[in-house]
Amino acid sequence: EVHLVESGGGLVQPGRSLRLSCTGSGFTFGEYAVSWVRQAPGKGLEWVGFIRSKAYGGTTEYAASVKGRFSISRDDINNIAYLQTNSLKTEDTAVYYCAREVGYGGNLDYWGQGTLVTVSS
Amino acid sequence: DVVLTQSPLSLPVTLGQPASISCRSSQSLVYSDGNTYLHWFQQRPGQSPRRLIYKVSNRDSGVPDRFSGSESGTDFTLKISRVEAEDVGVYYCMQGTHWPRTFGQGTKLEIK
Repeated sequence: EVHLVESGGGLVQPGRSLRLSCTGSGFTFGEYAVSWVRQAPGKGLEWVGFIRSKAYGGTTEYAASVKGRFSISRDDINNIAYLQTNSLKTEDTAVYYCAREVGYGGNLDYWGQGTLVTVSS
Repeated sequence: DVVLTQSPLSLPVTLGQPASISCRSSQSLVYSDGNTYLHWFQQRPGQSPRRLIYKVSNRDSGVPDRFSGSESGTDFTLKISRVEAEDVGVYYCMQGTHWPRTFGQGTKLEIK
């Protein structure tokens, strides 16, 4: 059974950094792209970024709101995708979900349970 | 960026009655490969989002056949033929044709 588990969230001060992890199991992790989506408290879903599988170059895409501050990487040996969040702002406070992407085009077939990041002084 | 405009944003429905959610795109979502990457997700209270329908009209395994998706140009519709209590939650459309990916604002379905 496919599972994705996010971890690494917590309370952090503005301007600081946090690295989130997304650990996959039940499938060949390296064959899939991974997206990160966030949800601010009481708000809708916001796409954050994406990393292709190594077969497609392992390259990344980002939303304008996080470009230059966030970066995504992957470790296919340990089945983990990372979301490095730098220069955090209070508006980055959200539950961060990772999701497996099948094929092209945002087809997010499995999601994790999310990890909460709270940016506050 | 592609803007997806959902309506209504709030949808009170009587059990057993149909429901319809619209998602209008600011531009064509037909990709160069001929596919239309418009998907629907359901988020029940306190849960993670769950894929319901992918590429306009393909129902996910395990999704009841009372859910259906359709398109007319840049207008996309999610229909529930007979609403059940377990359908309560927020429904989002998302496009994956263009970068960046974008979501609609969400439609909150509740039981009257």
